[in-house]
Amino acid sequence: DAKTTQPPSMDCAEGRAANLPCNHSTISGNEYVYWYRQIHSQGPQYIIHGLKNNETNEMASLIITEDRKSSTLILPHATLRDTAVYYCIVRAALIQGAQKLVFGQGTRLTINP
Amino acid sequence: AAGVIQSPRHLIKEKRETATLKCYPIPRHDTVYWYQQGPGQDPQFLISFYEKMQSDKGSIPDRFSAQQFSDYHSELNMSSLELGDSALYFCASSLGTGAAEQYFGPGTRLTVT
Repeated sequence: DAKTTQPPSMDCAEGRAANLPCNHSTISGNEYVYWYRQIHSQGPQYIIHGLKNNETNEMASLIITEDRKSSTLILPHATLRDTAVYYCIVRAALIQGAQKLVFGQGTRLTINP
Repeated sequence: AAGVIQSPRHLIKEKRETATLKCYPIPRHDTVYWYQQGPGQDPQFLISFYEKMQSDKGSIPDRFSAQQFSDYHSELNMSSLELGDSALYFCASSLGTGAAEQYFGPGTRLTVT
């Protein structure tokens, strides 16, 4: 799986949009970009994933650049409960077998009142 | 909605003892993953099962073994416990394999004294 690079920490004011970047310059054509988050010592939580097109769900939006070498997770109206470590993970989609998640260091996002 | 269930939630063992952690996946999910998260570290993949067969193996010590049963629940057996085994152990489940989203349980906190 391709390696990802994320800033170690970010701050955002409550109510503002939080934009979390991720670089994955070695991503290959069949690899998806996944985002998970982990709120202190809880189990990681799936947020969103995408291949080429931008994606949106009730939690967040995912913007993937045209060359697919980077992406941005957007939390449109951050709340204090969004304080967590956010992981950007690249996974192949078409390989048989249970595909493990490889967690990097992630971005520790702190939402400030 | 039903989530992944892990038991026990907390476990204290002494060195050289054995421990068994249990994981009950989301109903209809046929794939189970185990992850270990040491203090201040990111989750690390241990092992996965699909349809009761081992699918992938990560950095799981030989002292650990796991299996998935006919009802799809899974157990992680840990023997000759060491202080370094103290960690959070997460189980995740998914429907199918490949790049299906994984849903994590709340974890079992194992403390070895």
